[in-house]
Amino acid sequence: TQLLEQSPQFLSIQEGENLTVYCNSSSVFSSLQWYRQEPGEGPVLLVTVVTGGEVKKLKRLTFQFGDARKDSSLHITAAQPGDTGLYLCAGAGSTLGRLYFGRGTQLTVWP
Amino acid sequence: NAGVTQTPKFRILKIGQSMTLQCTQDMNHNYMYWYRQDPGMGLKLIYYSVGAGITDKGEVPNGYNVSRSTTEDFPLRLELAAPSQTSVYFCASSYRLPANYGYTFGSGTRLTVV
Repeated sequence: TQLLEQSPQFLSIQEGENLTVYCNSSSVFSSLQWYRQEPGEGPVLLVTVVTGGEVKKLKRLTFQFGDARKDSSLHITAAQPGDTGLYLCAGAGSTLGRLYFGRGTQLTVWP
Repeated sequence: NAGVTQTPKFRILKIGQSMTLQCTQDMNHNYMYWYRQDPGMGLKLIYYSVGAGITDKGEVPNGYNVSRSTTEDFPLRLELAAPSQTSVYFCASSYRLPANYGYTFGSGTRLTVV
């Protein structure tokens, strides 16, 4: 059973388009994080959201934590080929010493 | 500042062989983790440690062992390798509770068991 469900699993778009990736759960998380992974490398932390309803912006990326702290979304405006990668959401639950990961969304942005 | 260093980068093992995946970090992080990543399956926790001398099982510990004798090193031992252990293995560390600080990952070890 996957604690965090990500959708879509694959996303292929043209440069300049907007997109949203979703991360959903039936569990409440104390925080939720987004990572990006490029081929042959480990995931890199993009953002941590902690408060229900919180919105954080990182240049063209906007991250939102659901009011009930069970879900999150990542929105990319005007996607660029450099945004290509595997996007992973991760939640911190009752066992605070570890994170639970979703299966990831593979994003490909074509020039 | 090297961060989290994993060796080797690639390895091919025969069924039944054993090996140790090395992981070292130079950030004085207390928390360290071993994950495996299979295509379309996300990251599954194998073992983790909250400090030197303390280790605990994750979701998929069978066939693996770990030790944490120093803050810096967290090796993962595979005994009697099986094809099901073919995967990409990532070591990660966190300064304190990852809920607040997140993970720093190494660049991975790609293991094939034939």
